[in-house]
Amino acid sequence: QKEVEQDPGPLSVPEGAIVSLNCTYSNSAFQYFMWYRQYSRKGPELLMYTYSSGNKEDGRFTAQVDKSSKYISLFIRDSQPSDSATYLCAMLGGTGGFKTSFGAGTILLVKA
Amino acid sequence: NAGVMQNPRHLVRRRGQEARLRCSPMKGHSHVYWYRQLPEEGLKFMVYLQKENIIDESGMPKERFSAEFPKEGPSILRSQQVVRGDSAAYFCASSPPVASGGSGEQFFGPGTRLTVL
Repeated sequence: QKEVEQDPGPLSVPEGAIVSLNCTYSNSAFQYFMWYRQYSRKGPELLMYTYSSGNKEDGRFTAQVDKSSKYISLFIRDSQPSDSATYLCAMLGGTGGFKTSFGAGTILLVKA
Repeated sequence: NAGVMQNPRHLVRRRGQEARLRCSPMKGHSHVYWYRQLPEEGLKFMVYLQKENIIDESGMPKERFSAEFPKEGPSILRSQQVVRGDSAAYFCASSPPVASGGSGEQFFGPGTRLTVL
């Protein structure tokens, strides 16, 4: 079993839709949770960074962490074609120290 | 404030040759991470370094790879003898010191695409 599981997609939605991206994980010691956006042939770009459980909102993006279920989500409101990219969840903490574990990424396609 | 810089952006090597990848972290960042990304796969952790110190190299095939982050100059990821399976994108990320409030926020460079013929 992978430490971090993420549906690879692709997820195709119409412009303006609400997008839900999710990851599950097995290591209950993880404390820091991140979402990255990666365009083709580019480096990952940090979108959201949260510590422990709860919600965090930044513009059209909302990150949710449910540590009891070992489940994190990223919601994108009013999705735009420019949001089309691969979204990677990442997490670290606990016995792993600063070693970050990434999901395989979900490909998102927003159609105009 | 310049972001994380990596060079070269593309590197072609034959099997058995050396490959040297460079990473200059963001200004003020003293932590560097190296990752490898294969097509259709996520980022795989290789090594985590602070200035002059390797903290965690558990993801790096040490029989062929080495990494350093000297007091002055960029961090270097080096493969002494590349194999075809090393063909991948290599990303460097940097983060600020924990004392300044950083606890995992990593900022990535554009990557080096290594092709082994």
